[in-house]
Amino acid sequence: QKEVEQDPGPLSVPEGAIVSLNCTYSNSAFQYFMWYRQYSRKGPELLMYTYSSGNKEDGRFTAQVDKSSKYISLFIRDSQPSDSATYLCAMTHSNSGYELNFGKGTSLLVTP
Amino acid sequence: DAGVTQSPTHLIKTRGQQVTLRCSPKSGHDTVSWYQQALGQGPQFIFQYYEEEERQRGNFPDRFSGHQFPNYSSELNVNALLLGDSALYLCASSLVSIRTGVGYTFGSGTRLTVV
Repeated sequence: QKEVEQDPGPLSVPEGAIVSLNCTYSNSAFQYFMWYRQYSRKGPELLMYTYSSGNKEDGRFTAQVDKSSKYISLFIRDSQPSDSATYLCAMTHSNSGYELNFGKGTSLLVTP
Repeated sequence: DAGVTQSPTHLIKTRGQQVTLRCSPKSGHDTVSWYQQALGQGPQFIFQYYEEEERQRGNFPDRFSGHQFPNYSSELNVNALLLGDSALYLCASSLVSIRTGVGYTFGSGTRLTVV
């Protein structure tokens, strides 16, 4: 079993919809949780990060972490066609920030 | 301000050959990490270099080796290529002072195809 699990999709939604992306993990030592966006033929770019449990909001994006359930989420409000990309969750230990542990990524398509 | 630069962008090699991929970190960054991203998968950590030393290594065989130069740029070498080495190889740079994994900047990667 991989440490980080993520449904690869694909997920297709109409423009303006609320998108929910999720990851589960097995290692309780993870404390830093990140969401990356990766466009085709590009490297991942950091969207959001959260330390420990709780919510964080940035514009149309909200990240949630529930450490008790080992479950993290990313919500995208008022989704736009430009949001079409692969979304990767990543997490790391507090004692060693060297290695990012990624999920498989969820492919999202927002249709006009 | 230039981000992370990787070269070449695409590469085709034959099984058994050796390959060298190159990475220039973002200006001001001193640490370079390498990741392998197979098609449909998330990136997998290969290793990280700081002060020209390998600081941490993921679960990759010794065929994968690296180097960091005094100007912080880095190379990833893969020997005895296998078909399964076909992937996008990503370089990420950061500052050593950032231990949380948050401050990584990724390059666009090198697409390696082994035939």
